[in-house]
Amino acid sequence: ETGVTQSPTHLIKTRGQQVTLRCSSQSGHNTVSWYQQALGQGPQFIFQYYREEENGRGNFPPRFSGLQFPNYSSELNVNALELDDSALYLCASSLASTSGYGYTFGSGTRLTVV
Amino acid sequence: AQSVTQLGSHVSVSEGALVLLRCNYSSSVPPYLFWYVQYPNQGLQLLLKYTSAATLVKGINGFEAEFKKSETSFHLTKPSAHMRDAAEYFCAVILDTGRRALTFGSGTRLQVQP
Repeated sequence: ETGVTQSPTHLIKTRGQQVTLRCSSQSGHNTVSWYQQALGQGPQFIFQYYREEENGRGNFPPRFSGLQFPNYSSELNVNALELDDSALYLCASSLASTSGYGYTFGSGTRLTVV
Repeated sequence: AQSVTQLGSHVSVSEGALVLLRCNYSSSVPPYLFWYVQYPNQGLQLLLKYTSAATLVKGINGFEAEFKKSETSFHLTKPSAHMRDAAEYFCAVILDTGRRALTFGSGTRLQVQP
């Protein structure tokens, strides 16, 4: 059973640029969620994808967008990067049909905006 | 409104001593509660979860937590700390079972002194 894989592990971007982060979900999982973890804080929910559609969103502006693919992998896109977007971005996968709420997290992508 | 409050951003214990990390939640409906651990430069690992079954939940690495509805608490304990327990610990709650998003506390950094 493979876990959740995120790429890249580290990334440096310039303010105003766009970035795409990628996530491969755990085998058998059909739901992917993305979280932003600023330094010294707990993760914050960005959005969740199920069956290739967004089915939940946190308090993040529209420049944060995502995709889920038929193989349940996912992308997080951030446009017009701001310095405050510097954070660890975590992907979590789960199986929507279970009642146990088993989320598996990846190791994250560390984004630095300069 | 803060949904999850972790009392104490830093906790230091001696090796072999009791570990107690505090978590209180605010919810008008029975929540689903979780404790995660995060080691440096890594993602989140699930320690244990409460999903309305037994109020005393046993997790991995010798940790356990007790759900106390009257106190709206879900404190994490371990009888005897080990050096490898040094990490950041996050309490999390699911308030909206439809959206299934995790709301995290701000975290508690556990230091274990030799």
